[in-house]
Amino acid sequence: DAMVIQNPRYQVTQFGKPVTLSCSQTLNHNVMYWYQQKSSQAPKLLFHYYDKDFNNEADTPDNFQSRRPNTSFCFLDIRSPGLGDAAMYLCATQTGGTYNEQFFGPGTRLTVL
Amino acid sequence: AQSVTQLGSHVSVSEGALVLLRCNYSSSVPPYLFWYVQYPNQGLQLLLKYTSAATLVKGINGFEAEFKKSETSFHLTKPSAHMSDAAEYFCAVSPRAAGNKLTFGGGTRVLVKP
Repeated sequence: DAMVIQNPRYQVTQFGKPVTLSCSQTLNHNVMYWYQQKSSQAPKLLFHYYDKDFNNEADTPDNFQSRRPNTSFCFLDIRSPGLGDAAMYLCATQTGGTYNEQFFGPGTRLTVL
Repeated sequence: AQSVTQLGSHVSVSEGALVLLRCNYSSSVPPYLFWYVQYPNQGLQLLLKYTSAATLVKGINGFEAEFKKSETSFHLTKPSAHMSDAAEYFCAVSPRAAGNKLTFGGGTRVLVKP
C-alpha cells in the first residue's frame, strides 16, 4: 500500500545532541510537510517542500532544519535539541493538485533528556 | 486569514449515544474542510472532506459532516458511539487553491463511556 513512513517511531536524545528524523513516501506527492505536535495541542507547521522549493514558517526556530534529497525522502534535523523540543513530529504529504488533503505518517515521538 | 474553532476541547459520550463535534470556520469564501482523527501515539487519519459537492459528506467509521455556509459550520456526527471512537478529532480548513496549507482547530478529545 502507498503510504507515508516515519523512522524511528520513538527517538530519545540528550539535551544539545543533534538528531535527525526521517520521512519517506511511496505516494509520489509533490509536497511534504513537517509538523510539531505537543501534548493535547493541534499540529504546528514547521516548514514544507513543494518539490525542491523550501518554505519555512515565520516562527520556526533556526534550530530546526530540513532536507529533501529526492521526491521520496524528507528529513528533519534538530541541531541542538532543548527540553522544549520534546514532542511528536509528524510528516505529511500532499499532491499539490486538488483538494489539499494531506496524508500523515505515524509520527516520531522525540524525548529529550 | 482563515481560522477554525472547535467548541469543546473534551467531549464525553456513552457507548451507543450520538457523537456531535462542533467546528466553525472563518473565511471570506467557502474553503475546503476536513475532519481528521488521531489515536494515541499515531498520526492523523482523514475521516472525511468537503470540497464543493454534496453538503452532507459521509466518511469512514460511520461519521458524517454537514457543511452549512450560512452558519460557517462543518459539524461532525456519528449516530452511535463505539468504544473505538475514543480519540482526538481535528477540524481543518484550506483555501480553495491547489497546494495550500491546512489550518487546524484546537482539537476535541472524545471519551466513550461503557
